[in-house]
Amino acid sequence: DAGVTQSPTHLIKTRGQQVTLRCSPKSGHDTVSWYQQALGQGPQFIFQYYEEEERQRGNFPDRFSGHQFPNYSSELNVNALLLGDSALYLCASSLYRYEQYFGPGTRLTVT
Amino acid sequence: AQTVTQSQPEMSVQEAETVTLSCTYDTSESDYYLFWYKQPPSRQMILVIRQEAYKQQNATENRFSVNFQKAAKSFSLKISDSQLGDAAMYFCAYRSPPSNTGKLIFGQGTTLQVKP
Repeated sequence: DAGVTQSPTHLIKTRGQQVTLRCSPKSGHDTVSWYQQALGQGPQFIFQYYEEEERQRGNFPDRFSGHQFPNYSSELNVNALLLGDSALYLCASSLYRYEQYFGPGTRLTVT
Repeated sequence: AQTVTQSQPEMSVQEAETVTLSCTYDTSESDYYLFWYKQPPSRQMILVIRQEAYKQQNATENRFSVNFQKAAKSFSLKISDSQLGDAAMYFCAYRSPPSNTGKLIFGQGTTLQVKP
C-alpha cells in the first residue's frame, strides 16, 4: 500500500516564474491538505481540498492556488514566485478531516 | 484562533537517558486532538503520538509518552531510553475536530540532539 507521494523532490525556479507541485494521496484517502515549511520553522497550513473543492484556506495570497482531481490527487500552483516562497512544501492526505499522513515533501528554491 | 508554542528551540540528551519536550497551546474549543511529530533530516514528517482531548489518560507508544494537562493547556513529550535514531526536529501540533476545520497547527519545533 503506497503512502503519500509527492513530485518533484526538489526544484529550482527564478523569481516571477510559476511552479506546479503534485501530490498523490494514500490509498483510500479523499482529502488533501498542503503546508508550507520555511527552513527551521513549523509547517503552515495553505489549504485543503475535498471533493475537488477548496474547503479551508490559511493565510496565503491568491498566488497560491490548487486543484484536486477525480482520483483525489492534487496540485499546488504558485504564480509570480518570490524569494520568500522558498520552502519545503508538504502534502498530507486523510479520510475527510481525520488522521493526516504526510508525504516526503518538495523542496522549492527560488533564486 | 488556536496557537501552539514550543519554548525550547534545542534540547540535548545522553543516549539511554530520558528527555522531556514542552508544548503549550491555546484554544477555545473543547474537542480537539494533539500530536507530536518527528521530522528527521530526511524531511519525512512522522507521527510519534496522538492524544484526544476528551481522554484523561495520557497516551503512550513504547518509549514515548505524553503528559497532557488540559486545564493548563500543556502537552509535553517524554522520550525514555533515548536512542541515536531519536535525533530529529520534533513538532507539537493541534488539530481542530473534523466538524470544524481539521487543519493542523504546528509549533515552531524543538531540535533534539542525542549524544552517544
